[in-house]
Amino acid sequence: EVKLQQSGDELVRPGASVKMSCKASGYTFTDYAMHWVKQSPGQGLEWIGTIIPLIDTTSYNQKFKGKATLTADKSSNTAYMELSRLTSEDSAVYYCARAPIRYGGYPDYFDYWGQGVMVTVSS
Amino acid sequence: DIQMTQSPSSMSASLGDTVTINCLASQDIGNYLSWYQQKPGKSPKLMIYGATNLEDGVPSRFSGSRSGSDYSLTINSLGYDDEGIYHCHQYYEYPFTFGSGTKLEIK
Repeated sequence: EVKLQQSGDELVRPGASVKMSCKASGYTFTDYAMHWVKQSPGQGLEWIGTIIPLIDTTSYNQKFKGKATLTADKSSNTAYMELSRLTSEDSAVYYCARAPIRYGGYPDYFDYWGQGVMVTVSS
Repeated sequence: DIQMTQSPSSMSASLGDTVTINCLASQDIGNYLSWYQQKPGKSPKLMIYGATNLEDGVPSRFSGSRSGSDYSLTINSLGYDDEGIYHCHQYYEYPFTFGSGTKLEIK
């Protein structure tokens, strides 16, 4: 059974950073890409970026460059996202989502999602 | 960036009805379009990929179609379990983008 287990909810101070994890199980971690998606309260979905663990390649939405850093640890089948210099605009639920990789190395749709991490930025 | 214009933003329908949700892409995305269902407090669930392909385990009451840059999700024989927010998503090119969502309420 494919499972993406994300770390717990976070309450962080403005200006701080937070690093969240997404532990994958039930499939070969390096056969898929991992995306990260933001959902602000009552809002739609925003794509943050993706990492292809096999070749350690990342691609970011320009809007999140400098805000988000994606990494992956192949030895523990875990993807990470660090968000820096947090403000109230970063308060949201963050999802990791697995994606098949199509011919040519481009990630595809999101077939499995983690349960989400709620980040609250407050002093 | 590719804009995905989704409509309607919300709708209400009765048990057994057929409803259609639409997404218009601002440029050609081929069939690189997926649909997700999201229930309150839950993560999105893949329903349709490749514009018309039904994900395993999704009831055949759900179907996807394409006409040019217009993509549609149709749900036949609505049931209470179909209530939620539906999102379209293009994965043709970076940055991947989503529609603004359609909230479906069952009367």
